[in-house]
Amino acid sequence: NAGVMQNPRHLVRRRGQEARLRCSPMKGHSHVYWYRQLPEEGLKFMVYLQKENIIDESGMPKERFSAEFPKEGPSILRIQQVVRGDSAAYFCASSPAGGPYEQYFGPGTRLTVT
Amino acid sequence: QQQVKQSPQSLIVQKGGISIINCAYENTAFDYFPWYQQFPGKGPALLIAIRPDVSEKKEGRFTISFNKSAKQFSLHIMDSQPGDSATYFCAAGGSTLGRLYFGRGTQLTVWP
Repeated sequence: NAGVMQNPRHLVRRRGQEARLRCSPMKGHSHVYWYRQLPEEGLKFMVYLQKENIIDESGMPKERFSAEFPKEGPSILRIQQVVRGDSAAYFCASSPAGGPYEQYFGPGTRLTVT
Repeated sequence: QQQVKQSPQSLIVQKGGISIINCAYENTAFDYFPWYQQFPGKGPALLIAIRPDVSEKKEGRFTISFNKSAKQFSLHIMDSQPGDSATYFCAAGGSTLGRLYFGRGTQLTVWP
């Protein structure tokens, strides 16, 4: 059973460009969570999605950030007009049912903004 | 506001020793307490988790102790090995919350 997949693993963007991060949940999982991790810090929640629905986006900046989880295909975290402060590791997790139980994380996408 | 407080920030233990990491929380809506292990450049891996209806859960060398009245829980790693050297995160969640709240992490180093 394949785990959570994320791509790309590393992404370099210049200031002002757009970054698109993809996450494919584990087979049978319909809930996806995005977290951001800065060096020497813990994981900060960004957004919780189910298929075609945003359940909780309280951790996501109101500007420049958006997320979706379409009926078909991976979940996408999109960052428009990236700035240096967006440089971080972005992790996706998935779970098989509603609620936070047993969230399994992907390997992450390391975004570097130059 | 840090909903889950974790200590210590770093821990050095000799091979064969016991590693203990502590976490505390305030929100009584939390009813699920997992621990994650993260190696450099990797994603966090679910290690062990506990619900408040039990005071202890053991899986191999890893044990969670849970004190509901004190709102504290801890991870004990028995017979610590160099391969256990990693960053450990405690977290808390609730059935009505959807998300997990993470502690800041503990960097564990086990000397051979």
